Amino acid sequence: SQKIEQNSEALNIQEGKTATLTCNYTNYSPAYLQWYRQDPGRGPVFLLLIRENEKEKRKERLKVTFDTTLKQSLFHITASQPADSATYLCALEGSSYKLIFGSGTRLLVRP
Amino acid sequence: DTAVSQTPKYLVTQMGNDKSIKCEQNLGHDTMYWYKQDSKKFLKIMFSYNNKELIINETVPNRFSPKSPDKAHLNLHINSLELGDSAVYFCASSQDLTRRNTQYFGPGTRLTVL
Repeated sequence: SQKIEQNSEALNIQEGKTATLTCNYTNYSPAYLQWYRQDPGRGPVFLLLIRENEKEKRKERLKVTFDTTLKQSLFHITASQPADSATYLCALEGSSYKLIFGSGTRLLVRP
Repeated sequence: DTAVSQTPKYLVTQMGNDKSIKCEQNLGHDTMYWYKQDSKKFLKIMFSYNNKELIINETVPNRFSPKSPDKAHLNLHINSLELGDSAVYFCASSQDLTRRNTQYFGPGTRLTVL
């Protein structure tokens, strides 16, 4: 069956360190993969999209990698700040125009 | 100048009632969506409309009926509410179906059925 898996346990790191979040998927062949940020009580906000022919994408302190062989994407936040604390969702395109989301990983950055 | 807005933000109601959630986007997008986020935080698509035409209709009970009066609005009407309908409902939009990959979400409506 098709699955998107993100670590359900919160990731707790010290300010200034690099946070790395993982998204694994099975039985999908997505043309692209996206990452969203969700704060409590708010809707998800789009952060980055990476296509299947791209290995890596960067935006300011954010970096995403996409390994279609491993069926995995890694999302990195360098020089993390307490303001980066949120839940991060990965999403990929399923069949028929549907965007399929993982359950998200909560990131806590301690000052 | 909110991009995607939803009303109400909170909705508390009794089982068996009928309720509606409204969504409006001012981004000029052609495509709109309804998602349900359950207590385990899974965000699952329910419906999608493109230029007022239904594109995606997931396996959702027919008590849920979306209505798109124009491409800037997508409302969700729920009949005979059940306890299991309690969740957060998000409206979203994207520029069009070919650029559906970037979606803009509303703030969500937390529905509690008692």
